[in-house]
Amino acid sequence: AQSVTQLGSHVSVSEGALVLLRCNYSSSVPPYLFWYVQYPNQGLQLLLKYTTGATLVKGINGFEAEFKKSETSFHLTKPSAHMSDAAEYFCAVRPNSYDKVIFGPGTSLSVIP
Amino acid sequence: DSGVTQTPKHLITATGQRVTLRCSPRSGDLSVYWYQQSLDQGLQFLIQYYNGEERAKGNILERFSAQQFPDLHSELNLSSLELGDSALYFCASSVGAGGTTGELFFGEGSRLTVL
Repeated sequence: AQSVTQLGSHVSVSEGALVLLRCNYSSSVPPYLFWYVQYPNQGLQLLLKYTTGATLVKGINGFEAEFKKSETSFHLTKPSAHMSDAAEYFCAVRPNSYDKVIFGPGTSLSVIP
Repeated sequence: DSGVTQTPKHLITATGQRVTLRCSPRSGDLSVYWYQQSLDQGLQFLIQYYNGEERAKGNILERFSAQQFPDLHSELNLSSLELGDSALYFCASSVGAGGTTGELFFGEGSRLTVL
């Protein structure tokens, strides 16, 4: 069965520091991969997605993620954290375009002034 | 604004009661998904519908049921409610059974509190 793990349920960074949120997935074939962000009292918003092609994916708000098949990873990064980045981040995997989307447990990002 | 509309936004009810949550997908989207988000269980997939037909079923309790209507809106019915059913219920939609690239678009959720 497909699964997603996110290392670290809580991550704190200083404003202006690098953001690195880790995601690993289990899949026998390269799946569709997503990062979603959830701000307090809001729904999930798509940050970026990997389907096929270029393994470095750029998303909204300066975030990017790199698909590494050999490591079955899809870590999310942002060079410089902003206070507004404080939110819950979910990594998700979809084995194919017809299957359900499976979400990781989420990582809560805090940004310290 | 994702284009997915969920009502009600907040709902408070008592144990043993029944509630209905409603979802209107993005215009043109044929698939609707329901997820439950709670502190201890995270984001759990409940059920998926595609163009009125059940497509996939996840960790949905027998006390829960859903359907998608001809106009593509969906309803999630929760009955014999228990304290543990208190959670945020999300609806999401996508273009086709999978969509062109598979991403889901989420509503803002319905927060259910069972007292």
